[in-house]
Amino acid sequence: DIQMTQSPSSLSASVGDRVTITCRASQGITTYLNWYQQKPGRAPKVLIYAASSLQSGVPSRFSGSGSGTEFTLTISSLQPEDCATYYCQQSYSTPRTFGQGTKVEIK
Amino acid sequence: EVQLVESGGGVVRPGGSLRLSCAVSGFTFDDYALSWIRQAPGKGLEWVSGIKWNGGTTRYIDSVKGRFTISRDNATNSLYLQMTSLRGEDTAVYFCARGGNWFDPWGQGTPVTVSS
Repeated sequence: DIQMTQSPSSLSASVGDRVTITCRASQGITTYLNWYQQKPGRAPKVLIYAASSLQSGVPSRFSGSGSGTEFTLTISSLQPEDCATYYCQQSYSTPRTFGQGTKVEIK
Repeated sequence: EVQLVESGGGVVRPGGSLRLSCAVSGFTFDDYALSWIRQAPGKGLEWVSGIKWNGGTTRYIDSVKGRFTISRDNATNSLYLQMTSLRGEDTAVYFCARGGNWFDPWGQGTPVTVSS
């Protein structure tokens, strides 16, 4: 199984800050990497698919990059509504696997 | 509007069984693969199982193989997860989701608690 490791596990940043979350795969997955946002008590929603494609309806302050084993999710200007847990997920092979999550809080 | 609505969760004793259902609307059901993903209390997301558009191919994580069965009924736009020999570690909120690569959208989830 492919292991996905996110860093950091949590972060606190101010409104307007640029935030970067890293996801590393235990083996190369080309660009088969997706990002989700989950708010407390809610189902996750996809933000980015195929490493860098922005899902329809997602604000343009979210962006994704990377290929192979290292990927990043960037929030260019953190907003209060971005307070959530973010997960990466590989779709290169089965079983699909998720990172452990990164909790983003507002200072 | 695309909607997925899970049902069938509840409290069950270890060794027991449950059948989860996911009612789908708002898109052409048999154009898409579907998946079950779970989240244990306070924990992260874990993909459990997936099924191709025609039901011809199914996949599972190792920990549920032989105990869980995913199926779909393209006539009624429904997805199912038959769970048997349930264990404490199966306790989680179970989400159904459209897709087999990335998952979008998700249902609201149905909780399953395995406890004596």
